Amino acid sequence: DAGVIQSPRHEVTEMGQEVTLRCKPISGHDYLFWYRQTMMRGLELLIYFNNNVPIDDSGMPEDRFSAKMPNASFSTLKIQPSEPRDSAVYFCASSPDPDTGELFFGEGSRLTVL
Amino acid sequence: DAKTTQPNSMESNEEEPVHLPCNHSTISGTDYIHWYRQLPSQGPEYVIHGLTSNVNNRMASLAIAEDRKSSTLILHRATLRDAAVYYCILRDRGTSYDKVIFGPGTSLSVIP
Repeated sequence: DAGVIQSPRHEVTEMGQEVTLRCKPISGHDYLFWYRQTMMRGLELLIYFNNNVPIDDSGMPEDRFSAKMPNASFSTLKIQPSEPRDSAVYFCASSPDPDTGELFFGEGSRLTVL
Repeated sequence: DAKTTQPNSMESNEEEPVHLPCNHSTISGTDYIHWYRQLPSQGPEYVIHGLTSNVNNRMASLAIAEDRKSSTLILHRATLRDAAVYYCILRDRGTSYDKVIFGPGTSLSVIP
């Protein structure tokens, strides 16, 4: 299995531009998580899905952030408009049946907003 | 959500055992104890998890206190590749949701 695949790996954009981060979870995993990591705040849970349905988005910073999961093999995290304080590494993770207890993380998307 | 407390940093000599502590005094009966680690410039990776009994796998051992208010991740022989941030987290399997929340973790340095 290829693991969780995220794209792009690096993104540099200017303030005000729209940013879309993509994630392909491991096939068969019912849970998908989006995290953000910064030096100041560490790893923060933004949102997670179960069977393509958003379950908890209380970690999404503000209305500029939105996440979708149109099918079991694809999810997006969109920031519109982007701001310099959104600069961070964004991780996607997927998980099989909760009884196994393991999260599988992607390699992350490093976002820099100038 | 129940919280965990870990030391900010620890050091170990190469090829020595390492004991990474975690306190979780407000743990509930349905919380699993999970450990992940994050190597530099990589995403977190699963290490081990348990509920009540001690657990062993190829990467590490997990020792859980009898009252479950603390646990210890044991690396039997630290290598330079084990230098990472180690996260102790609780997974609450509620009836309608399932969250995994990471704290600051312990930054482990391995000295050659």
